[in-house]
Amino acid sequence: QVQLVESGGGVVKPGGSLGLTCAASGFRFNSHAMHWVRQAPGKGLEWVALTLYDGSKEYYADSVKGRFIISRDSSKNTLHLQMNSLRVEDTAVYFCARAPGFYGGAALDHWGQGTLVSVSS
Amino acid sequence: QSVLTQPPSASGTPGQRVTVFCYGNNSYIRTHIINWYQHLPEAAPKLLIHTNNQRPSGVPDRFSGSKSDTSASLAISGLQSEDEADYYCATWDARLNVVVFGGGTKLTVL
Repeated sequence: QVQLVESGGGVVKPGGSLGLTCAASGFRFNSHAMHWVRQAPGKGLEWVALTLYDGSKEYYADSVKGRFIISRDSSKNTLHLQMNSLRVEDTAVYFCARAPGFYGGAALDHWGQGTLVSVSS
Repeated sequence: QSVLTQPPSASGTPGQRVTVFCYGNNSYIRTHIINWYQHLPEAAPKLLIHTNNQRPSGVPDRFSGSKSDTSASLAISGLQSEDEADYYCATWDARLNVVVFGGGTKLTVL
C-alpha cells in the first residue's frame, strides 16, 4: 500500500537550515506530483510547495519562496525539502503528500504522518 | 487571509446531520474545484471529498460534498463521535499556481 514517511525534523536556530526527506513506497513515484504541507502549532493546514511528477517544475507558497527548495529523487523514491533562512514562524509539523496524477491540483490523496520542525533560539 | 473562508467551529449530536461550509469571494467557488479534508488529532490529514462531490474509495457515504456559486459544503449524516475533527476545504488556484486551504472548521460532537 502507499506509504509516505517523513524524516529530518528537529530543532534549529533562526537563520539556520534543515533538510526534510519523505520516503515513498507502494506506488510508482515518478507518476505522481508531490507536495509539502505544514501545520503550525494551533493553526490550520498551510500548503508549502509542489513538484511535478518529473521534477520539471516547482511551485511555492509566498511565505517560503526564495528560502525553501523542493526536489525529488526518482532513483531513490524520495521527496526533499531544503529549508534555509528559517524563521520562528516556520515552526510546524511538515507533511508530505501525494497528488493523484502527474500534475498539481489540491486533491492530495495520501499523506505521511509528519515531522516536527522547531525554530527557536 | 485565505481566499477560502470557513467558520471556525461547528457542532452536532450523534446521529444528526451537520454541514461544514466553505466560502469564497465573488465567483471564486463557482470557478474552482473544491476538495475536503478531515484531520483527526495526532493523525495525517485524509482526503474526504475531491472534485467538489466525489468520494475516494473507502470514505463512507455519510460524507458528501456540494457547492453553489458562492459556497461549498461538506455534509456529514449520522454523525458519530469519531467524526470529531478539523475539516478543511482546499483548491488549486491556477492563476497563482498555489494550493489554497481554508482556515478549517473544528467539528465537535456533543
